Amino acid sequence: RKEVEQDPGPFNVPEGATVAFNCTYSNSASQSFFWYRQDCRKEPKLLMSVYSSGNEDGRFTAQLNRASQYISLLIRDSKLSDSATYLCVVIRHGGGNKLTFGTGTQLKVEL
Amino acid sequence: DAGITQSPRHKVTETGTPVTLRCHQTENHRYMYWYRQDPGHGLRLIHYSYGVKDTDKGEVSDGYSVSRSKTEDFLLTLESATSSQTSVYFCAISESKIGQAYQPQHFGDGTRLSIL
Repeated sequence: RKEVEQDPGPFNVPEGATVAFNCTYSNSASQSFFWYRQDCRKEPKLLMSVYSSGNEDGRFTAQLNRASQYISLLIRDSKLSDSATYLCVVIRHGGGNKLTFGTGTQLKVEL
Repeated sequence: DAGITQSPRHKVTETGTPVTLRCHQTENHRYMYWYRQDPGHGLRLIHYSYGVKDTDKGEVSDGYSVSRSKTEDFLLTLESATSSQTSVYFCAISESKIGQAYQPQHFGDGTRLSIL
């Protein structure tokens, strides 16, 4: 089993829709969590950190459920420019500052 | 954007040749990383560095070596390139932990390497 698992998608949604992605992680010692965004043939870029109490950044909301070992990303009012691959990332306690990446969920926002 | 420069951006070479990729940062961050990204695997850590001359292996280190003689430069070397090392290589940097909080990593633009 992979340490971090994501549904690869693609998720095809109309502009203005709300879409949510989940990511599960297998190591209960995972300590820090992030969502990255990657456009085709580009580098990953930090979208947001995920905090235990949940956090919001504009149209984006991230949640962490430690008991069930998953994190989620909710995107409201989807824009065409949100089309990208969203990468779930965890850091394990005691693992140094080493990130473990999911393989990503592809989002396509359509007119 | 974080000051990270990878060079070269693209390279095509033949099996058995040595290849060195360079990552240069202007942020004075302590940590530097090399990843490769392949379809179906996501990003996988090759090697990382936690200071000058301090490096350690990642999950896919076989066939790769690294060096960090200055804070700002982290080199990845393929001593004898193989076709399985055809990939996109990303360098990343991060600051030290703040309290118990790990800091996110910021990535360079990537190097597309083809081994024929």
